[in-house]
Formats: sequence, structure tokens, C-alpha cells
Amino acid sequence: DAGVIQSPRHEVTEMGQEVTLRCKPISGHDYLFWYRQTMMRGLELLIYFNNNVPIDDSGMPEDRFSAKMPNASFSTLKIQPSEPRDSAVYFCASSLGGFNEQYFGPGTRLTVT
Amino acid sequence: SQQGEEDPQALSIQEGENATMNCSYKTSINNLQWYRQNSGRGLVHLILIRSNEREKHSGRLRVTLDTSKKSSSLLITASRAADTASYFCATVTSYDKVIFGPGTSLSVIP
Repeated sequence: DAGVIQSPRHEVTEMGQEVTLRCKPISGHDYLFWYRQTMMRGLELLIYFNNNVPIDDSGMPEDRFSAKMPNASFSTLKIQPSEPRDSAVYFCASSLGGFNEQYFGPGTRLTVT
Repeated sequence: SQQGEEDPQALSIQEGENATMNCSYKTSINNLQWYRQNSGRGLVHLILIRSNEREKHSGRLRVTLDTSKKSSSLLITASRAADTASYFCATVTSYDKVIFGPGTSLSVIP
């Protein structure tokens, strides 16, 4: 298996633009997690899905953030409109069976100017 | 302090020495996990210890958990330059919240 795949790896956009981050979890995993990592706040869980259903989105910072998982092999995290304070590395992770060993993707480094 | 707070923030040792990192947390947990992150990469799972376990080993890694003190330690024995990375503890609470600490930056000098 190729592991968790994220795209793009780097994204530079201007404030106000829509940003879409993509994730392909490991085949067979039933949990998918979206995290954000910054120097100031560390690694924060934004939202997680179980069997494609959003379970807890309490970590999503604002209504500008939304996430979907239309099928077991694809998820998106969208920011609309983007702001400079959204600049961070966004990680997707997947696991089998819940909050145990999570497999992280390489991350998307987002810069909003 | 936060749930899942590592100590020290940074550690520098010589190759071959042992490295010990500590993690403290506040609320009850189901399990505690340690992850490694190399610069610019995603996190890699190292080891998971459940709340009813006290010690686990994996290769050169040894993790202990003291639920009465709400603390855990990660010991890396016979360190190598390749162990240079940031190490994070993640606590999974009984209400299905996973919280990562700020991490310990380990430098192993060849």
C-alpha cells in the first residue's frame, strides 16, 4: 500500500481564495482524521470520520472550514474564504478500528498571503 | 499545563546515549501513544500503551505509564543519529478525544 496520500503537497494562495486539500486514506481503514499543525498551537485535531460519516467536528476552527468524505477512499478539507492565519501544515491520517495507531500522510503546507 | 505535555522541550545527546522524554496529562485516558516526526514529514506511530498497562517495549523503545501520576515516559536506548526528530505523545481520552502534546525535539550528535 502506498500509505496515506495527500495533495497538493504545497499550496500558496491569496487571502479570500478557496482552498481544497485532498486525502486518500489507506485502503481498508475505517477512520480518517484531519489535523492542523502550527508552531503556535501544535498539532490539533480538526475533524474525524468513521465509515465516511463525520463524527466530531468540534476542532474545526470556523464555518470557513468544511470537510467531506464522499466515499471510503477520498476526503477533502475546504477553506473558503482563506485567511493568512490559516497558514499551516494540514495532515490527514487514517486508522483501523478507531483511536489506535494512526498512519499520517506527508501533509499539505498551506501558505495564505 | 496542557493535556499531553512533553518534557523536556528539547534534548541534545551523543550517539550511543539513552534519551528519555516525559509526557504528563490531565484527564483519564484510554491509551497513550508516542509518535515521531522527522523535519518536514508526517508523524510516524511508535508505540501505544493502554491505560491498564504499565510498560511496553518495542526494539530500542521502552514506554512506561503511571496513571496515578498521569504521566508517561519514552526511553530510546543506544540512540543513533537517525533518531533525531521531534517526539510527540498523544493521549486518547475516555470520551474519544485525541490530544497531542507540543513535542520534544531530540538531537542525536554523531
